[in-house]
This record gives sequence, structure tokens and C-alpha cells, in this order.
Amino acid sequence: DAKTTQPTSMDCAEGRAANLPCNHSTISGNEYVYWYRQIHSQGPQYIIHGLKNNETNEMASLIITEDRKSSTLILPHATLRDTAVYYCIVRVAGNYQLIWGAGTKLIIKP
Amino acid sequence: NAGVTQTPKFQVLKTGQSMTLQCAQDMNHEYMSWYRQDPGMGLRLIHYSVGAGITDQGEVPNGYNVSRSTTEDFPLRLLSAAPSQTSVYFCASSPLGWGSQPQHFGDGTRLSIL
Repeated sequence: DAKTTQPTSMDCAEGRAANLPCNHSTISGNEYVYWYRQIHSQGPQYIIHGLKNNETNEMASLIITEDRKSSTLILPHATLRDTAVYYCIVRVAGNYQLIWGAGTKLIIKP
Repeated sequence: NAGVTQTPKFQVLKTGQSMTLQCAQDMNHEYMSWYRQDPGMGLRLIHYSVGAGITDQGEVPNGYNVSRSTTEDFPLRLLSAAPSQTSVYFCASSPLGWGSQPQHFGDGTRLSIL
């Protein structure tokens, strides 16, 4: 079973920041948090990952709470093309298996 | 800049037929894997490989075979197709090593078993 809990769906207005929460209360010290997204049943696309520090790249920011039991993916200026299913996954470094939940369906509205 | 390439993109089979789904990557990744995704669900791991000649089972291996004769290719074989194997199949790859490298995915093969 997936080790993460995400809301089933969320809406966000175009141009605003989209904040997607994820709970991973049983995360271990050596487990990373990964975010992927899937657009129109295409292949999943890697977005960002982190261990305990906040991370930022050209696509998004990842905020991990100090106790590491939850995290938030931030898309700073959402566009219609960001409409997708977003998956939050925890993975032990060196273990290559990803356990996928159902994800959050994010709908960006004009 | 091909990345992970899956063929075919679509396939319809009759129950009992066999076929091979192809997956190739040009990034020299040691790790490759196959997932299936059923409607409204996340991906489930079928088989994976950490290098040529090395394969192992994932969460849902029954009805599928794999082999890894080269670093680049990781074909998935359906031995005797069943309607329960109707799904979208994704191949993924990543470098090995103790670290956190993300996996790269192909665009999938949509398979229907009649």
C-alpha cells in the first residue's frame, strides 16, 4: 500500500499558486519524498524530490515539515497545462521500487 | 534526445494470444522496470531489472515474463493474454547507485484484450 495520503482532487485559478498537500506520517529517516505528475494518461513526469530540506527547481518548490510527516508541492504560477494527476511518493534511497497511490487530480481553471 | 521509448503505442489482442511490449532507453541506465496502470489507479510494479541478465518480480508479476540481455532493452512478454491484463503499461529507467535519482518514464502502451 502507498505510504502517502493525498486529497482526491483540487482546483486552482490560472496564474495563482497551486499548493498540493501530502501526508506521510510513517516516513523513515532515509526515505525521500518524490513528486510526479501525469497529464492525460501520458507517462509520469518527474517534478521534484527532497529528503528533509526544502527544494526548488524550475518547475516547482517542495516544502517538507520539520518532523517530515507532511509536505507541500507548490506550483508558483499555475497554467492550464498544469492540469494533471499529481503523485506524492516516499522511497528509500537505493530502493528503486515506487509505491503509487491514486494521487491528486489538480484542475487549473481559467 | 529519445529517453525511454515504448512500442507499440496501442495494441488489441484476443484472449490467449501472446505478444511482446518493447522498451528501449538511450541513457545507459542500469535500472529498468515495467508498471501497469488500471483506470483511476496509480501504477503497480510488474517486473524490474538492475542490469543485464538480472531481473526480479514486482507487485503483480503473474502472467508476464521479462528478460534483459542488453542495458538498453527490457521487453515485457504476455504469455497468454487475458482480459484482466487490459491496461496501460509503462516502462521506466533510472541510474543505479545509492542515491535518489528519479525514474524516467515512457509514454506507455495501451493494451486491450478481447
